[in-house]
Amino acid sequence: TQLLEQSPQFLSIQEGENLTVYCNSSSVFSSLQWYRQEPGEGPVLLVTVVTGGEVKKLKRLTFQFGDARKDSSLHITAAQPGDTGLYLCAGEQQSNYQLIWGAGTKLIIKP
Amino acid sequence: DAGVTQSPTHLIKTRGQQVTLRCSPKSGHDTVSWYQQALGQGPQFIFQYYEEEERQRGNFPDRFSGHQFPNYSSELNVNALLLGDSALYLCASSLETGEQFEQYFGPGTRLTVT
Repeated sequence: TQLLEQSPQFLSIQEGENLTVYCNSSSVFSSLQWYRQEPGEGPVLLVTVVTGGEVKKLKRLTFQFGDARKDSSLHITAAQPGDTGLYLCAGEQQSNYQLIWGAGTKLIIKP
Repeated sequence: DAGVTQSPTHLIKTRGQQVTLRCSPKSGHDTVSWYQQALGQGPQFIFQYYEEEERQRGNFPDRFSGHQFPNYSSELNVNALLLGDSALYLCASSLETGEQFEQYFGPGTRLTVT
């Protein structure tokens, strides 16, 4: 069974600080997606990375896919209270139509 | 462009009862996946429907069943409810021919079993 491990599970930092969330697996994925979920709502897709080594930026968020397509990171610069939420990574398996999900990183940004 | 919609928003049931949850996919999408999400955890894949058939299934018992209609909407049925079935049930839609397997989620149905 493929697993995606996210770390840290929980992170609480002050506004303005930088942070990095990691998503690791021993398996190769066709693509990897990052979602953000707020309480009582469904996950919202932030980005999809496809190519090994790919870097995508979304304002203050930088996403990177590992060279071997087994891991990914999300870096937030100058975090703001609006960044608070549950960040989930999901890997697309190469052989079927299923996503493998990490357990999520609960991020709290204190003003 | 209508996004994914789910109904009802909240539901309270008693152990042993049966429940049906409904999902309408994003306009233009033909594939529907269902997930169960416990509080503070990532979504757990239940099953996926494409062309009105169950294509993939996660590690869930037969008490969980589903259906997809010709208009691509879908239902999730859970029989003989257990306390442990209390969770947020998410529906996600995608396009079979999409370049990447990107899913768009509905707001979920919060099921409480007492």
